[in-house]
Amino acid sequence: EVQLVESGGGLVQPGGSLRLSCAASGFTFNAHHMSWVRQPPGKGLEWVATIWPDGSIKYYVDSVRGRFALSRDNAENSVHLQMDSLRVEDTAMYFCVRLRDATTIFDYWGQGTLVTVSS
Amino acid sequence: DIQLTQSPSFLSASVGDRVSITCRASQGISNYLAWYQQQPGKAPKLLIYTASTLQSGVPSRFSGSGSGTEFTLTISSLQPEDFATYYCQHRHSYPITFGQGTRLEIK
Repeated sequence: EVQLVESGGGLVQPGGSLRLSCAASGFTFNAHHMSWVRQPPGKGLEWVATIWPDGSIKYYVDSVRGRFALSRDNAENSVHLQMDSLRVEDTAMYFCVRLRDATTIFDYWGQGTLVTVSS
Repeated sequence: DIQLTQSPSFLSASVGDRVSITCRASQGISNYLAWYQQQPGKAPKLLIYTASTLQSGVPSRFSGSGSGTEFTLTISSLQPEDFATYYCQHRHSYPITFGQGTRLEIK
């Protein structure tokens, strides 16, 4: 059974940092692209970033590029999102998501970890 | 960036009704479109990909159609568990974007 378990969320002040982690199991982790998708409270979904299976290529939404950094550890079956210079508008539930094969179809989602940026 | 516009944003219907949700893309995306269902407080769930392919385990009352710039998600006979929010998503190119969502509520 595919499982994605996020951790690392919490309350942080504007300008602060957080590191989100996602532990994956139940599939061949190093064969899949992985992404983070976020959802502000009461609002819709926003794709944040995607990393290739070997970590060689990463894409980011414009609003986080230069502030967020996505990485993965294929030996530990985990993916991480380092979030720096956090803004109030980064407040959201952050979902770790597996991509189907070599596509941009989000086929398995974690339950999410909540990030709140507030003074 | 490709923009996706869903209509309606809110839909009220009864159990047993047939409903359709439309997703329009700002430029042609072939059939690179997926649909997701999100129950309150839960993670989204993949329903349909490549515009019309049903994800494994999804009931056959869900169907998708369309190509280019206009797509439709249809639920043939609403069940109580179908009342949720639905999102379309294009996978044509980066950045990936979602529609704003359609909230389906019980009449």
